[in-house]
Amino acid sequence: DVKVTQSSRYLVKRTGEKVFLECVQDMDHENMFWYRQDPGLGLRLIYFSYDVKMKEKGDIPEGYSVSREKKERFSLILESASTNQTSMYLCASSPYLRAYNEQFFGPGTRLTVL
Amino acid sequence: GENVEQHPSTLSVQEGDSAVIKCTYSDSASNYFPWYKQELGKGPQLIIDIRSNVGEKKDQRIAVTLNKTAKHFSLHITETQPEDSAVYFCAALGANAGKSTFGDGTTLTVKP
Repeated sequence: DVKVTQSSRYLVKRTGEKVFLECVQDMDHENMFWYRQDPGLGLRLIYFSYDVKMKEKGDIPEGYSVSREKKERFSLILESASTNQTSMYLCASSPYLRAYNEQFFGPGTRLTVL
Repeated sequence: GENVEQHPSTLSVQEGDSAVIKCTYSDSASNYFPWYKQELGKGPQLIIDIRSNVGEKKDQRIAVTLNKTAKHFSLHITETQPEDSAVYFCAALGANAGKSTFGDGTTLTVKP
């Protein structure tokens, strides 16, 4: 079974802090994604990566950055956390970009910024 | 870019009844349409998908239909059970493969 793990299930940070959310997948998938999930807004794509050291902006990249130094790991960085970044963050992975494949999601990290 | 609209946002049915969730998409180049189920405290998980060369697909109590001309697709759950209660998301995958656009989700409640 594909397993996508996220470093924390719950996280509480203060405004202005630098926040790292880590995601690891164990199925050698090329693609990795970061979404945020807010009530009534569905899943909104923040960034995705289709290869090591490659990244593409999603629909809402402002205030976020990402890092992919190894194929299995994709990190989401909030350079200076703000209260409007309080949300559920979901990481996902999928096989090769140009094949139409399902995405495998982690359990999510619920981030609260005070 | 792609835009996916999903209706209804909430749906409540009696156990044993059928449930239908509908989605429309805007990009005629989209050709892969997955449905995900998200249970409380978990990430979404694929339950069924359909590709544009097929009009209908069924897996036990779950079916998906696709109308490419009208650009809409639907999830049908028959003989609903309490464990079907969850949030359901539709998605469309366009020509720029790998990047899905999700609907806003439907919270399904099945009453015993």
